[in-house]
Amino acid sequence: DIVLTQSPALAVSLGQRATISCKTNQNVDYYGNSYMHWYQQKPGQQPKLLIYLASNLASGIPARFSGRGSGTDFTLTIDPVEADDTATYYCQQSRNLWTFGGGTKLELK
Amino acid sequence: EVQLVESGGGLVQPGRSMKLSCAASGFTFSNYGMAWVRQAPTKGLEWVATISYDGSSTYYRDSVKGRFTISRDNAKSTLYLQMNSLRSEDTATYYCTRDGLGTTVVIYFDYWGQGVMVTVSS
Repeated sequence: DIVLTQSPALAVSLGQRATISCKTNQNVDYYGNSYMHWYQQKPGQQPKLLIYLASNLASGIPARFSGRGSGTDFTLTIDPVEADDTATYYCQQSRNLWTFGGGTKLELK
Repeated sequence: EVQLVESGGGLVQPGRSMKLSCAASGFTFSNYGMAWVRQAPTKGLEWVATISYDGSSTYYRDSVKGRFTISRDNAKSTLYLQMNSLRSEDTATYYCTRDGLGTTVVIYFDYWGQGVMVTVSS
């Protein structure tokens, strides 16, 4: 099984940059694509797709969100952070079946 | 507008069965792979099962294999999850999700339903 590891929480100030990391125990690259995706979930709501295939911005998502990485190391960056960005962020791989990271809760300082 | 509406949840005793449904609209259902993802109270997301666009391929996480069955009726644009031999650890909100690419392989989940709560308790 592919295991995804995220830090449980991150605190940043309004207007600053937030960098959320996701590390996998196996390579999730395949034929030039990285099968890593990112979701945002606010309390009481369903998850929302932010980034797919490591760096592609999903429809309707502001350009403040970006993703990068390959192999086993990936990051989601929010720059600048706005108050509405407080949420839990999950990474998900689809290289071998589908698994999610434990989530990173983004809070404001 | 893409809509996914789950139904069929509630309280069920351990060992009993329950069937979830997900009514899809706003897109050509038969072109997309679909999946169920669950979330236990205060916990993270957990993939449960995936079905290909035509129903010919299904995949399950180990903990539900042999107990859960994912299926679809493309004529009715509806996804199902039959859950048998339910355990307390199956207690969660179950989300119906759509594959983002609409290819033969399910990659990522671009639309999610609001979720339906399943509580397994005596």
